[in-house]
Amino acid sequence: AQKVTQAQTEISVVEKEDVTLDCVYETRDTTYYLFWYKQPPSGELVFLIRRNSFDEQNEISGRYSWNFQKSTSSFNFTITASQVVDSAVYFCALSVAGGTSYGKLTFGQGTILTVHP
Amino acid sequence: EAQVTQNPRYLITVTGKKLTVTCSQNMNHEYMSWYRQDPGLGLRQIYYSMNVEVTDKGDVPEGYKVSRKEKRNFPLILESPSPNQTSLYFCASKLSGTSGSYEQYFGPGTRLTVT
Repeated sequence: AQKVTQAQTEISVVEKEDVTLDCVYETRDTTYYLFWYKQPPSGELVFLIRRNSFDEQNEISGRYSWNFQKSTSSFNFTITASQVVDSAVYFCALSVAGGTSYGKLTFGQGTILTVHP
Repeated sequence: EAQVTQNPRYLITVTGKKLTVTCSQNMNHEYMSWYRQDPGLGLRQIYYSMNVEVTDKGDVPEGYKVSRKEKRNFPLILESPSPNQTSLYFCASKLSGTSGSYEQYFGPGTRLTVT
């Protein structure tokens, strides 16, 4: 079975601060996929990024960056120079390559990020 | 515009009154799924479908039914709703039905309250 843990339930920062959201995962599969989704106050789920287990390259997209480390089973998400519009719930999720869990996303509990002006 | 749509967006109903939440996608995706979101629990999968006429249980299927008669539609049926099914429901779809890869695209959500 797969498991995703987001230990930070809530984070509060002031605008322009950098913030890192932690994600730790568990799986016995050797091929898996990691995702981050954003849920703004309006409620929809917005896909942010997908990483494959065989690609440990970190990724940067504007103010967003992701650090994938297989050695620690972590897939952390950093927002640089946070803005009020970044306020949302962020979910880390895991999917495996096949087996009986076809396509299922196993989600963490989510981290509520509040960015104050 | 590529999207997943759900209806209704909000629903208040009473215990035992059958209801259906519709889900439709226009991306020709093979895989569709239903999740429920509850505070402190994240999102949990209810049912999924790898393709037309192929459905299976997720982690929390009790009290729900689904069907996949057409590729684009995947309705969620609550035959006899109970208060513990009060939740925020999301429909999702992705391209491939047989790979864990590919991101899932989510509908806007349906907030259901059962009194």
